[in-house]
Amino acid sequence: QQQVKQSPQSLIVQKGGISIINCAYENTAFDYFPWYQQFPGKGPALLIAIRPDVSEKKEGRFTISFNKSAKQFSLHIMDSQPGDSATYFCAATSLGNQFYFGTGTSLTVIP
Amino acid sequence: KAGVTQTPRYLIKTRGQQVTLSCSPISGHRSVSWYQQTPGQGLQFLFEYFSETQRNKGNFPGRFSGRQFSNSRSEMNVSTLELGDSALYLCASSLESGGYEQYFGPGTRLTVT
Repeated sequence: QQQVKQSPQSLIVQKGGISIINCAYENTAFDYFPWYQQFPGKGPALLIAIRPDVSEKKEGRFTISFNKSAKQFSLHIMDSQPGDSATYFCAATSLGNQFYFGTGTSLTVIP
Repeated sequence: KAGVTQTPRYLIKTRGQQVTLSCSPISGHRSVSWYQQTPGQGLQFLFEYFSETQRNKGNFPGRFSGRQFSNSRSEMNVSTLELGDSALYLCASSLESGGYEQYFGPGTRLTVT
């Protein structure tokens, strides 16, 4: 059973637009929800993360929105830039346990 | 600090062979986790090692095994390779077992022919 479901699989956005990637999870014991950014030929890099005690976290142009009751969280990239073109993974875990990753979203930002 | 390093970066093997991949964590990090990344499947957790002991294990067959040395460096071994084992194998290090912040290496691209 897929513990974390991610959508869409791919996303094309115009420069300056908003990119939105969604994830849903099953296990209510998860207490840490990170987003990773991966460029071709590189390993995933931690972008931003949230705990379930807050509904939103913002770092620069990147924002996580978290809905505990719906068991959903999303990544918003404001003012998307061509340099943001990458694959984005959401994940969920709880302390001492393994990470469960979504299947990834390939983002292309068109100049 | 140097990041997570993985060697080799690329490997081509034949079905039935075995392969060993290596991962050196960030200095001071004691936990190493291994993942298999394939298109459409995302990152699948293989196992985690901490203090030379396997702490967590994913749903992979016994052909996949690993170990960790006293300096926290880790190796992953795959025996009797199958075509479906072709993937990017990533390792990630964290300070403690099951730590929240994981730092990934660049991965080893394994191709099985």
